[in-house]
Order: sequence, then structure tokens, then C-alpha cells
Amino acid sequence: QSALTQPASVSGSPGQSITISCTGTSSDVGRYNLVSWYQHHPGKAPKLMIYEGSKRPSGVSNRFSGSKSGNTASLTISGLQAEDEADYYCCSYADSITYVFGTGTRVTVL
Amino acid sequence: QLQLQESGPGLVKPSETLSLTCTVSGGSISSSSYYWGWIRQPPGKGLEWLGSIYYSGSTYYNPSLKSRVTISVDASKNQFSLKLSSVTAADTAVYYCATHPEYSGYGVAFRAFDMWGQGTMVTVSS
Repeated sequence: QSALTQPASVSGSPGQSITISCTGTSSDVGRYNLVSWYQHHPGKAPKLMIYEGSKRPSGVSNRFSGSKSGNTASLTISGLQAEDEADYYCCSYADSITYVFGTGTRVTVL
Repeated sequence: QLQLQESGPGLVKPSETLSLTCTVSGGSISSSSYYWGWIRQPPGKGLEWLGSIYYSGSTYYNPSLKSRVTISVDASKNQFSLKLSSVTAADTAVYYCATHPEYSGYGVAFRAFDMWGQGTMVTVSS
């Protein structure tokens, strides 16, 4: 069970859109539509932003959207804001009630 | 609204067993709706799922740590616990407890970690 692959960093200017990729295998991302995304500010608990690939929990801005193609899931943040600067992790359900997280992406707002 | 709070020693000696407890409030740990899990983040590294437990006592562990991890439930105290044996410096991390729903429905974050504790730092050092 290897960590899902994410870019180490992504940056954008306020108002722009950025996309973070999350690449797994046919045993996790590719097999299930159960990728979730988390926003993590240092010193705080991670916050669920997307579940089941593209669904947003109540209270999460619609600037955050998720998608999947094959073994790669993506998180798009549109209308980038200073408060979006954080670490983002994807996570996929795998077989038999196991989970694998991504390597994490640092988002910087220029 | 479920709330979770981790507790336990902040310093553990190498080769000993790390023990943490997560106290659940705002709901029952005996609910069939949730799994209860542990996730950690070593300094400067990413998140790692350690394992989860269902109210029935069924456990599921990260294959890479399975031989060292034990998760249990104490329903009388509305708590679940993590034990990690034979620790080394590589086990130094912030440890989080979290829930993941086992049912699908409108507004339910099926198989995603929807509620988290604040995390507790554990350092392995002599």
C-alpha cells in the first residue's frame, strides 16, 4: 500500500484557479469512487473538503471541486483566496476497510 | 455534533509501547454508523492512516504497521484507544483520532474522515 502521488507544491495568484492531482493505482483511486480531500493548516486538525470524489460537505465553499479520471483524482480551487493557503491531502479507500493518503501538496497564494 | 479528543503521554522511550486514548462526546461510540480511526503525521511529512475499529470490535490496520498496532474500544467510557509497540524515533508524530461513516446518504461523508480530534504530539526519545 503505497502513498498516493501528489505534486509537492502548487501556487497561484488571488482569483486564479489551481488544480492538484492525486495519482494512485487500479487498487485504490481507480477502483473506487471514494477519494476524499483534506485541507490542513499547521497546528490545526485536517478539514474534510471533498468526499466521494466530488461531493462537498455542508459549509465548504463551492470554489472547491473534485473529479477523477482513471487512476488520478483532482482537486480544483477556483477564485483562489489567501485563506486557501494550506497543505492539501487526498485519501482513497482501498480494499477491506483500508485507506491510503496522498503525499500532500503545499498550496501557496502568491 | 461529534467531538473527539486525544490524550496520552507526550514522550515515550524507544522500544516501549505508545498508548493513546480518544474520548468521544456528542454521540455514542457504540453507534453502528461510524468507524473510529487513528491517523498520524510525522514532522515535515504527510498523513498516514494507522487503523480503524468498528463498534463491534472489528479492526482494520495499515498493512505496513499491522504487526505493531492494536486499536480497541471501551464503550463504558465512550473511548477508543491506540497502542503502538516497539516504537522508534520514526514513530514521532502528531497523532489524530477521527471518524469515518459507514453508511451512505444525503450529506453523509461515506468512507471519508469527517470529524477529527485536535491531535496530540508524541515524541519517541530516551
